[in-house]
Amino acid sequence: QVQLKESGPGLVQPSQTLSLTCTVSGFSLMDYSVHWVRQPPGKGLEWMGRMKYDGDTYYNSALKSRLSISRDTSKSQVFLKMNSLQTEDTAIYYCTRGGQLPFAYWGQGTLVTVSS
Amino acid sequence: DIQMTQSPASLSASLGETVTIECRASEDIYNGLAWYQQKPGKSPQLLIYNANSLHTGVPSRFSGSGSGTQYSLKINSLQSEDVASYFCQQYYDYPFTFGSGTKLEIK
Repeated sequence: QVQLKESGPGLVQPSQTLSLTCTVSGFSLMDYSVHWVRQPPGKGLEWMGRMKYDGDTYYNSALKSRLSISRDTSKSQVFLKMNSLQTEDTAIYYCTRGGQLPFAYWGQGTLVTVSS
Repeated sequence: DIQMTQSPASLSASLGETVTIECRASEDIYNGLAWYQQKPGKSPQLLIYNANSLHTGVPSRFSGSGSGTQYSLKINSLQSEDVASYFCQQYYDYPFTFGSGTKLEIK
């Protein structure tokens, strides 16, 4: 059964770096891509970037200078790091599986609040 | 980037009615379009992919149509459990982009 679960700090101070982990089960990171999507409270969805099954990454150009996605296939984990956080980065951060069925599986999401 | 313009922003309809939500892409996305339903406090759930393919387990009262730059989601026989926000997404080209969402309520 396919599952994804995000984990990380709920609170980050302005100008600091956010580190999130997406732990997956039920599939291999070498067979499917994993994407990160975020949603400010009460607002719409923003695609952030993806880790492809072959290790290639692609980022939203609006975030590219601040964002890094990596993985550890042995642990079935995908990592998101984003620096220089501001209050407008407050959002629910989701990881979701790509593939022929676009985003059919999502994690529960993790709320990240940027505040001092 | 491909812009997705979704309308209406909100919609109120009666139980049993049929509702339609529309999405317009800024360029041809060749049916690379999905629709998601999101209930409060929950993750988005895939309803439709490839513009008109119903995802497994999704009730048949949901349907998608369209081509080129114009796409729509239709919900027949509106049920109380359909109260949610709905988002379109193009995955034809990176960066993937979403519509701004439609909040559906029961009248």
